[in-house]
Amino acid sequence: RKEVEQDPGPFNVPEGATVAFNCTYSNSASQSFFWYRQDCRKEPKLLMSVYSSGNEDGRFTAQLNRASQYISLLIRDSKLSDSATYLCASHGSSNTGKLIFGQGTTLQVKP
Amino acid sequence: SAVISQKPSRDICQRGTSLTIQCQVDSQVTMMFWYRQQPGQSLTLIATANQGSEATYESGFVIDKFPISRPNLTFSTLTVSNMSPEDSSIYLCSGGEDYGYTFGSGTRLTVV
Repeated sequence: RKEVEQDPGPFNVPEGATVAFNCTYSNSASQSFFWYRQDCRKEPKLLMSVYSSGNEDGRFTAQLNRASQYISLLIRDSKLSDSATYLCASHGSSNTGKLIFGQGTTLQVKP
Repeated sequence: SAVISQKPSRDICQRGTSLTIQCQVDSQVTMMFWYRQQPGQSLTLIATANQGSEATYESGFVIDKFPISRPNLTFSTLTVSNMSPEDSSIYLCSGGEDYGYTFGSGTRLTVV
């Protein structure tokens, strides 16, 4: 089983829709989690970090469920510009600082 | 957050040769890493670049193939040695502190 897993999608949604992605992690000792956004042929860019129960930034909300070992990313009022691949990542428990990434979820917002 | 400049942005290389990729950070950072990303796939961690000591490699990656240097807290290089077509990929460096890392813009390597 991979340490971090995501549904690759693609998720095709209309503008204005609310969409949610889940990401599961296998290491129960993992302490911190991140969502990155990656546009086609570009590097990943940090979207949000999640340390406790959750984090919110405008239309984006990230939540952590330790009991079920998953993090989620909720995007409200989707924009065409939200179309991208969303990668979740975990620090794991080894205190090495390294990030382990899921395979990414592709979102396509259509007019 | 740190800004990372990576070069070259792309290269086409002959098999059997080596390519060195450089990453320069605009501030001192504790952690630096090197990743590989095949088109349409996620990032695979190659190694952690340790300042002043040997890099820590992930399973499947070895120093002879991917030597890494990190002479200080703002700079690191990755060399892809004795290249074969299977090494064609995007190579990315990453760095920062544990509250969130940033990435260089990537090096798109094609081995012919």
